Amino acid sequence: NAGVTQTPKFQVLKTGQSMTLQCAQDMNHNSMYWYRQDPGMGLRLIYYSASEGTTDKGEVPNGYNVSRLNKREFSLRLESAAPSQTSVYFCASSALAGGDNEQFFGPGTRLTVL
Amino acid sequence: GENVEQHPSTLSVQEGDSAVIKCTYSDSASNYFPWYKQELGKRPQLIIDIRSNVGEKKDQRIAVTLNKTAKHFSLHITETQPEDSAVYFCAASRNTGGFKTIFGAGTRLFVKA
Repeated sequence: NAGVTQTPKFQVLKTGQSMTLQCAQDMNHNSMYWYRQDPGMGLRLIYYSASEGTTDKGEVPNGYNVSRLNKREFSLRLESAAPSQTSVYFCASSALAGGDNEQFFGPGTRLTVL
Repeated sequence: GENVEQHPSTLSVQEGDSAVIKCTYSDSASNYFPWYKQELGKRPQLIIDIRSNVGEKKDQRIAVTLNKTAKHFSLHITETQPEDSAVYFCAASRNTGGFKTIFGAGTRLFVKA
């Protein structure tokens, strides 16, 4: 099993450009999450999907949109990138639809917005 | 809003010594408290977790304690080894009234050989 995979690993954008970060899991998990990680700030939840067909805002959703394409895939879209969105983005999944179980993280996408 | 405070931000210990990292949370509805280890350039991985109906949990050299009254939980690593060097994150999660997981800012642990 590959676990949680993310593409791309690295990306450089110019202000105003758009892009989609892809995430997939092969563990048959119900819930999936998108986090951003900034120095000294830990992980902050952007959006989550408790189960296929549902998505909800997390702590820092502004400037982002998500799509739960199917049970395996959960994408994050930046419509008009801003320098403040420079960060490392982690996708994660968990077996149960809730916060009280282990999250498995992908390898991350390092995004720089110039 | 709710937050999780984590201390210290940096911790340096000698190999073989113990390391303690402390977290305080504000959301009284939190019922699940995981600890994640993140090595440089890698993804976070769960090392231990504790639920609100348990006061202490141990797994070999790692232990976690929870004081729900004080809204305080701690990670204890005994007999530290150089491979324990990493950033450790605590988190507080709840599933009632909507899902929420808040992470602490992280502790960078250095274990000197």
